[in-house]
Amino acid sequence: GAGVSQSPSNKVTEKGKDVELRCDPISGHTALYWYRQSLGQGLEFLIYFQGNSAPDKSGLPSDRFSAERTGGSVSTLTIQRTQQEDSAVYLCASSFLGLYNEQFFGPGTRLTVL
Amino acid sequence: EDQVTQSPEALRLQEGESSSLNCSYTVSGLRGLFWYRQDPGKGPEFLFTLYSAGEEKEKERLKATLTKKESFLHITAPKPEDSATYLCAVRPNSGNTPLVFGKGTRLSVIA
Repeated sequence: GAGVSQSPSNKVTEKGKDVELRCDPISGHTALYWYRQSLGQGLEFLIYFQGNSAPDKSGLPSDRFSAERTGGSVSTLTIQRTQQEDSAVYLCASSFLGLYNEQFFGPGTRLTVL
Repeated sequence: EDQVTQSPEALRLQEGESSSLNCSYTVSGLRGLFWYRQDPGKGPEFLFTLYSAGEEKEKERLKATLTKKESFLHITAPKPEDSATYLCAVRPNSGNTPLVFGKGTRLSVIA
C-alpha cells in the first residue's frame, strides 16, 4: 500500500480482556515501531523491530504487553488482561534503514478499556 | 535523561499573523531533530529532519531551524488549514529509544 495501515481503527474492550492490534508497514521498510499516545501526553515509545535483529522492547510498560513481526512485515501488538490505564491511541510507524531515517506513521488504533 | 519540551502548549493566530513554535531539548547527543504535524484522529505526518546546528529547511509557509539547544518552527502568513498539533522529536546519540517526543503545540489559525 501507499502508507502504513493499522487495524482496527477503534477498539472498545472490557477490563481484563486481551486485545490484538495490527500494523502493516510501508512495503520495503525494514524498521517498524510501536508508540502509545495518551491524552495530553507525548508519544511514548513501546517497541522497535529492525530486520531480523532482536526487537528493542525497552519501552514496553509491563509484561502484559508483547509484540511480534512476522516475515519482516506485518506486526501485531498484544495487550493481555487490559487495564483502564491502557486506554490510548496506539501508533505504528515504519522507516527505511532503521534508526537513521524519518519514520512514517499509520492512523493509529484508539483503544478504550471500560 | 533525554527530554523534549515544546512551547507554547497552545497558540491561536489570526490568518496571516506569523509566529514561531519552540522545541527545547536535552540529549546526550543528537542524531536528528524531527518535526511532525498531527491532525485530529490521524497519525503524525512527517515535515522536516534537521541534523546539525545552523541547518534550516523550508516547506511552503513553514521553516524549521536548529541550534545546539532548541529548534524553531516558523510559520509565515498562516492559513486556517495550518491548524494542527505540531510535534517535535529527537533521536538521541545513545540509548535504544528511537525517538523522544515532546507533547506538541496545538495551533489554531482563525480566518
